[in-house]
Amino acid sequence: AQSVSQHNHHVILSEAASLELGCNYSYGGTVNLFWYVQYPGQHLQLLLKYFSGDPLVKGIKGFEAEFIKSKFSFNLRKPSVQWSDTAEYFCAVNTFGDDKIIFGKGTRLHILP
Amino acid sequence: GAVVSQHPSWVICKSGTSVKIECRSLDFQATTMFWYRQFPKQSLMLMATSNEGSKATYEQGVEKDKFLINHASLTLSTLTVTSAHPEDSSFYICSARKGARRLAGELYNEQFFGPGTRLTVL
Repeated sequence: AQSVSQHNHHVILSEAASLELGCNYSYGGTVNLFWYVQYPGQHLQLLLKYFSGDPLVKGIKGFEAEFIKSKFSFNLRKPSVQWSDTAEYFCAVNTFGDDKIIFGKGTRLHILP
Repeated sequence: GAVVSQHPSWVICKSGTSVKIECRSLDFQATTMFWYRQFPKQSLMLMATSNEGSKATYEQGVEKDKFLINHASLTLSTLTVTSAHPEDSSFYICSARKGARRLAGELYNEQFFGPGTRLTVL
């Protein structure tokens, strides 16, 4: 069965620091990959997605992620974080021909002002 | 846009009662909807996949008689927690798939999430 691992459970950064959140998945076939964000008290929102083409995907609010097939990774990056980026971030994978999206355990990001 | 709503947003009930949660896709038709459960400070756990007009597919370990799912129309799915107990207290989130489409030979699947329903069973 496919699974998603997020390496960092809790990350604390200062404003303007660079961010990289790790995500690895286990599945050998074709995948769709997602990063979702959940701001405090709000519902899940899609940050970005990859389904084919350029492995470097740009999303909303200055986030980007790179799909490295050989490493089964889809790490999320942002060059300079803001206090408003404080939220929980979920990496998720959907495999070809399957309806289900499998979520990682999430990374809680806390930005210090 | 693709908006998904849930009702109620929160509910408190007594142990032994049943609670119904509605999930609606407001501006699109969703042949498939999904129900998740999120425990505090944890990830979303998929409970079941609901296809319009057919029986839901439950994930391993999820009691189908406990969590009744009905997907009667292309814009509405309901989750009924029957004979609720305190351990059923959780945050229940639904999502709706706008529709898979074939693009460059790949199936694309994006789900849109509702705001969630917080259930507290006393």
